[in-house]
Amino acid sequence: EAEVAQSPRYKITEKSQAVAFWCDPISGHATLYWYRQILGQGPELLVQFQDESVVDDSQLPKDRFSAERLKGVDSTLKIQPAELGDSAMYLCASSSPRGGLSMNTEAFFGQGTRLTVV
Amino acid sequence: AQSVSQHNHHVILSEAASLELGCNYSYGGTVNLFWYVQYPGQHLQLLLKYFSGDPLVKGIKGFEAEFIKSKFSFNLRKPSVQWSDTAEYFCAVSRYGNNRLAFGKGNQVVVIP
Repeated sequence: EAEVAQSPRYKITEKSQAVAFWCDPISGHATLYWYRQILGQGPELLVQFQDESVVDDSQLPKDRFSAERLKGVDSTLKIQPAELGDSAMYLCASSSPRGGLSMNTEAFFGQGTRLTVV
Repeated sequence: AQSVSQHNHHVILSEAASLELGCNYSYGGTVNLFWYVQYPGQHLQLLLKYFSGDPLVKGIKGFEAEFIKSKFSFNLRKPSVQWSDTAEYFCAVSRYGNNRLAFGKGNQVVVIP
C-alpha cells in the first residue's frame, strides 16, 4: 500500500538552531500539505502545495518557517531559528491524484516528525 | 474561517459499550466531512468520509457517522467497542472543491477490557 514517507521520525534540537523535515508524498499526488500538531490538539495546516506552487501559507510563520516543493514531488519544511514553542508533531499529507476527475478526495498522512526543542 | 468542535476530549468506557463522539462545524457552505483515527504510535488513518449522498456513512471497523446538515453535525458512532478501539479520534472538515482540512481537537478514547 502506498504511503506518505517522512523523515526523520524524531528530532531534538536546541533553540536557535536550524531544523529541516522531509516528506515524500504518495506517487502521483498533486497536493501536499504540512500540518503541525501540538500535544492535545488537532493538526493545523501550515502550508499547502499544488504541484510545486504554494496554494496557502497563511498560517506559516514566515519569519522562521519556510517550505518548498521544487519539482512538485517531495517537500522540505525548515525552521530557522527553532524556538521552544515549535515543539510539536509535524505531519505531511498528500491528496488529489493527478488526472483525477474529482478534487474531493481524502488526505493520506505520514507518520510525522516529532520535534523537541530544548 | 471554518472551525470544528469536538466535545468530551477524554472518554473512558468498557468493552461492548456503545460509543458516540460529537462533531460540529461552523462553515455554512457545502462541506466534505471526515473522521480520522490515530492508534497509539501510528499515523492518522481515515475511518470514514462524507462527500455527498446518503448522510449515514459506514466506515471501517464497524464505525458509522451521520451528517445532519441542519445541525452542522457529523457524529461518529460504534454500537459495541473493543479494546482495540483505544485511540484518538479526529473530526475534520474541508470546503467542497478544496481538500484543505480543518481539524477538531480530538477525542482520546480509552476502552477498558
